[in-house]
Amino acid sequence: QLQLQESGPGLVKPSETLSLSCDVSGDSIGNSDHYWSWVRQPPGKGLEWLATIYYTGSTYYNPSVETRVIISLESSKNQFSLNLSSVTAADTAVYYCARQRYTSSSGEFDYWGQGILVTVSS
Amino acid sequence: QSVLTQPPSVSGAPGQRVTISCTGSSSSIGAGYDVHWYQQFPGTAPKLLIYANKNRPSGVPDRFSGSKSGTSASLAITGLQAEDEAYYYCQSYDSRLSGSDVFGTGTKVTVL
Repeated sequence: QLQLQESGPGLVKPSETLSLSCDVSGDSIGNSDHYWSWVRQPPGKGLEWLATIYYTGSTYYNPSVETRVIISLESSKNQFSLNLSSVTAADTAVYYCARQRYTSSSGEFDYWGQGILVTVSS
Repeated sequence: QSVLTQPPSVSGAPGQRVTISCTGSSSSIGAGYDVHWYQQFPGTAPKLLIYANKNRPSGVPDRFSGSKSGTSASLAITGLQAEDEAYYYCQSYDSRLSGSDVFGTGTKVTVL
């Protein structure tokens, strides 16, 4: 059974960098059938896709954050990570890691982590 | 900045049929990109409900169905049950601005 688990600090100061990891079990991030993504949800609001990475290292970013975000693979640990720099209160959200697969022209997120609340505050 | 528009809320009595619309544009749904639907209960992660417009993952009841036409898609829940009270989001791809996966604005389904 595939499981994803987010980890990282729950509190980040404004202007600093938010760093999160997603531990994957039950699948390999080197699996060519899947992509690996981050999605966030501000409190009381909707979902926002942030970034996706493929096992080759190819990356895809939401234009709204692409100047501040980096997604990376840590293959030896079967993990992938998110770094979001220069954070503000608007980056306060629950951050989810998810597996993305392409059964059609757009990829669906078929497995999700439980999410981690990150608050940006001094 | 969602580019897929959903009604904020829909409601229905147990046993009724409700539908949720997801309106995109010529660069998203209208360009042929498929639509997926998620169910989310408060405090929990979204769950894939429908993929590629009309397909149900294993374990999803057949009272959930999806369709797509033109620049829009719809999720229908027939035989509404109390346990269906949740938030529902559509998701697709938009080819503008280097391309992005995009989610709908979300719809709260209330069972009366």
